[in-house]
Amino acid sequence: GDSVTQTEGQVTVSESKSLIINCTYSATSIGYPNLFWYVRYPGEGLQLLLKVITAGQKGSSRGFEATYNKEATSFHLQKASVQESDSAVYYCALSPHYNQGKLIFGQGTKLSIKP
Amino acid sequence: NAGVIQTPRHKVTGKGQEATLWCEPISGHSAVFWYRQTIVQGLEFLTYFRNQAPIDDSGMPKERFSAQMPNQSHSTLKIQSTQPQDSAVYLCASSSGTVEQYFGPGTRLTVL
Repeated sequence: GDSVTQTEGQVTVSESKSLIINCTYSATSIGYPNLFWYVRYPGEGLQLLLKVITAGQKGSSRGFEATYNKEATSFHLQKASVQESDSAVYYCALSPHYNQGKLIFGQGTKLSIKP
Repeated sequence: NAGVIQTPRHKVTGKGQEATLWCEPISGHSAVFWYRQTIVQGLEFLTYFRNQAPIDDSGMPKERFSAQMPNQSHSTLKIQSTQPQDSAVYLCASSSGTVEQYFGPGTRLTVL
């Protein structure tokens, strides 16, 4: 079945340094899935950070960006310069092409920022 | 806009008891989704409704779990004869028909 893999459970980055959180996916159905990054800030609910529904395109929001790479089946999240307010748990997710309601999530990556 | 409302926020039940979780979607949203989050399994899809009709329940455990959406303003997830392994945070989300889902704060269920 379809799945999403985030290899890092926790990442620590110094403030103002660059960030990359890895995400790869496996989609067994015909057609390309929609890809998402969701974020949970401390004390808050899960919210959409960015989405890309077309293979090859890039999504961006709040200084973060992710490119839908269908050859590598990846959707890594990047930011050039992190801030303390970026501390959160980040989830990569996909919705299958055949069932665009259902979200399949990765395990999540907790981002901590060192001042 | 109050967002997705879930009640109760915390529920403690004894093994074998029934638990009913409530979700009020954002007004005007046509789709409601239920997910479960545990440390071991992560975030798992359970079921979803569109225009109150059940569309996909492929993530629902075959026994003891059921979900309903009797009207457009609320959905319930019922767990009969709760077991310790049912302990989790249950998340409800709603959508207006676009790909974006808006999540509620969740209900933390603890089964003793």
